[in-house]
Amino acid sequence: SQKIEQNSEALNIQEGKTATLTCNYTNYSPAYLQWYRQDPGRGPVFLLLIRENEKEKRKERLKVTFDTTLKQSLFHITASQPADSATYLCALDGGGSYIPTFGRGTSLIVHP
Amino acid sequence: GAVVSQHPSRVICKSGTSVKIECRSLDFQATTMFWYRQFPKQSLMLMATSNEGSKATYEQGVEKDKFLINHASLTLSTLTVTSAHPEDSSFYICSASPPVDGEAFFGQGTRLTVV
Repeated sequence: SQKIEQNSEALNIQEGKTATLTCNYTNYSPAYLQWYRQDPGRGPVFLLLIRENEKEKRKERLKVTFDTTLKQSLFHITASQPADSATYLCALDGGGSYIPTFGRGTSLIVHP
Repeated sequence: GAVVSQHPSRVICKSGTSVKIECRSLDFQATTMFWYRQFPKQSLMLMATSNEGSKATYEQGVEKDKFLINHASLTLSTLTVTSAHPEDSSFYICSASPPVDGEAFFGQGTRLTVV
């Protein structure tokens, strides 16, 4: 069955460092992959979308890579700030379905 | 980006009563909206796909008579939790996508507590 894995343990880093979050998937052939940010008690907010034919995409301090051979996406936040603390979700399109399927997310905590 | 508004953000109701949650797309028309449920530290679980002008499509294991969905216009979908019980307490979130690129825009979420 299709599976999306994100590290369930919180990632703790120091302000100014680069945070790297991982999303692994199995039994998918996604046309694209998305990353969302979710704050406690709020709905997710879209950050970036990367397509299967793209290796890397950047937006300000964010960078996403997509390796379809490894079936993995890495999400980087450079020069992290305490305000970046949140849960980050990856989502894949359903392999032919336009409805994205979400991972359970990884909590990022940036310490001042 | 596109805006999806969900209301109310928080509701407490008595067991056995019904609660209606509204989801509106404010600056685009959405023929399809999605309803999710999320438990603490868990992933978003798709409950149903709401289709404008037709019946909703429910995911396996979701009771259609318990969770009534109405998508009466291109900008409004409602989820009604009927005869709510404490186990229905959860965080409910709607989403919709403008017809470009597949990114989803989410409402603010509704924290439902059934006492």
